[in-house]
Amino acid sequence: DSGVTQTPKHLITATGQRVTLRCSPRSGDLSVYWYQQSLDQGLQFLIQYYNGEERAKGNILERFSAQQFPDLHSELNLSSLELGDSALYFCASSVAPGQAQETQYFGPGTRLLVL
Amino acid sequence: AQTVTQSQPEMSVQEAETVTLSCTYDTSESDYYLFWYKQPPSRQMILVIRQEAYKQQNATENRFSVNFQKAAKSFSLKISDSQLGDAAMYFCAYRSYSGSRLTFGEGTQLTVNP
Repeated sequence: DSGVTQTPKHLITATGQRVTLRCSPRSGDLSVYWYQQSLDQGLQFLIQYYNGEERAKGNILERFSAQQFPDLHSELNLSSLELGDSALYFCASSVAPGQAQETQYFGPGTRLLVL
Repeated sequence: AQTVTQSQPEMSVQEAETVTLSCTYDTSESDYYLFWYKQPPSRQMILVIRQEAYKQQNATENRFSVNFQKAAKSFSLKISDSQLGDAAMYFCAYRSYSGSRLTFGEGTQLTVNP
């Protein structure tokens, strides 16, 4: 158990819908990362937050957005869902970004299926 | 942009034997970090080992060790005394010195035969 929690574990929805994925980082971690794992794209970085502020953006679609709240949990919002958005979405956390000893610990993931 | 390549989609090893998984990367940076993550059937991403590019000594963690060749931009993972529990997808990942995002390779599916 990494200490990172993600809910829900599984999500089945229809095209055009909107869903929210939730992540709670490890105790003491200030930085949260979101990654998407799909069959055709592999594992790719979406977005990073540090202490409530957006820190870095990767290959995140405009239909997707995220935020980190004062209690440091984060939510990833996916809207106007398409079949190709079906994937495993990981949240990871670390103490602080860019430091030499920084290690990202991953949550169990949320499996999203868009029908 | 950095890229990470794992040229072995699948590998297999007999229990108790040794196996090496390959990874190459492309970067123009001189300082960076490299990682191997394991993803078992549960889909959890588990850190196996990390290597700092400025360290010449290869990292080891129990039965796991790396062969880091900076000039060749190669970062292979050696698993000794393979166990059934080592069966998983293994991902090589890169992180720049000042950045935080991880760039992953395509993964290598390791099968351990009893």
